[in-house]
Amino acid sequence: AQTVTQSQPEMSVQEAETVTLSCTYDTSESNYYLFWYKQPPSRQMILVIRQEAYKQQNATENRFSVNFQKAAKSFSLKISDSQLGDTAMYFCAHTPNAGNMLTFGGGTRLMVKP
Amino acid sequence: EPEVTQTPSHQVTQMGQEVILRCVPISNHLYFYWYRQILGQKVEFLVSFYNNEISEKSEIFDDQFSVERPDGSNFTLKIRSTKLEDSAMYFCASTTRADGTDTQYFGPGTRLTVL
Repeated sequence: AQTVTQSQPEMSVQEAETVTLSCTYDTSESNYYLFWYKQPPSRQMILVIRQEAYKQQNATENRFSVNFQKAAKSFSLKISDSQLGDTAMYFCAHTPNAGNMLTFGGGTRLMVKP
Repeated sequence: EPEVTQTPSHQVTQMGQEVILRCVPISNHLYFYWYRQILGQKVEFLVSFYNNEISEKSEIFDDQFSVERPDGSNFTLKIRSTKLEDSAMYFCASTTRADGTDTQYFGPGTRLTVL
């Protein structure tokens, strides 16, 4: 069974600075997909970024990038130039492939301070 | 951009009543899911649905729950006899393998309150 662990329940960062959210996972699969989802106060789940395990290159999406360390089973999210609108709950998630369930971590609550 | 929609946004019901939560997945998607999130807790998988049948379900998805795709667009979750502990946010999601990303796109959720 897959497990996903987010060790930081809460974090804060000053506006315009950089913050890194941690995620580790456990899986026996050799190929799989990893995701970061953002959940603002509205509670909608919004995809931030995804990474395919077979790709060595770290995914980037504008101010968001990941540090994917397959051997260490680590998948951290870096947010550069933090904005007030980044304030949200962030969930790391894993799935072996399409059709399979997503397994979510417990989330990290990020507060961006002005 | 196509998106997953869910109705209603908020449902209040009495304990023991049946509720049906509705979802319209993205039109070319083939895999459909329900997840729930009890307030302050992590998102938990309930069930996945493919080719008109359940492909996977969690321990939470007991006999009180059922899913259906009654037509070509809707995907529903029915809770037959609601309990207080069913109060949660329920998310529908869908995905396709066609784009190779296996990304699940979520709807805005239905907040279910059981009194």
